[in-house]
Amino acid sequence: DIQMTQSPSLLSASVGDRVTLSCKASQSIYNSLAWYQQKLGEAPKLLIYDANSLQTGIPSRFSGSGSGTDYTLTISSLQPEDVATYFCQKYYSGYTFGAGTKLELK
Amino acid sequence: EVQLQESGPGLVKPSQSLSLTCSVTGYSITSNYWGWIRKFPGNKMEWMGYISYSGSTSYNPSLKSRISITRDTSKNQFFLQLNSVTTEDTATYYCARLPGADYFDYWGQGVMVTVSS
Repeated sequence: DIQMTQSPSLLSASVGDRVTLSCKASQSIYNSLAWYQQKLGEAPKLLIYDANSLQTGIPSRFSGSGSGTDYTLTISSLQPEDVATYFCQKYYSGYTFGAGTKLELK
Repeated sequence: EVQLQESGPGLVKPSQSLSLTCSVTGYSITSNYWGWIRKFPGNKMEWMGYISYSGSTSYNPSLKSRISITRDTSKNQFFLQLNSVTTEDTATYYCARLPGADYFDYWGQGVMVTVSS
């Protein structure tokens, strides 16, 4: 089975900061990766699919990059409403979620 | 707009079956794929399975002996049944749409299910 590892598990940042979240697969997943944002008490929201495609309606400060085994979600300028837990999910050879990164304001 | 809503009992006894309904509005379940995901206490998320536009199903191998996903196209609903539940099945259960058997683009709000005697 392909394992997904997210880091860090907790990230504190200030409004306006550039924030980078990491997701690593135990073998290549060929860009078959999505990122989700989940706020407390809400359903997950799709942000990025196919590693770097922005879902319709998502602010352009969110971007995805990477290839092979290493992927990154970047928030170019952190806003207060971005406080949430972020999950990655691979869909190559089955479906597996990462453990999540909790993003809080410093 | 596509909307999904889970419903079902919030408490199930060990060894019994967990049954949930996902009601979909704004889109026909005879298109795309429709799945179930659960989130355990502590945040781990697990894909459980999906039913396709044609009615074919795919299940997480770890659940294959206990899970069944079915649908009623006349009501635009699909269903989850998980048999022989234990306390380890306590989780928030989500239904979601997959555009193409890949990622999940629309999600329900989730329903918390506790397995306890």
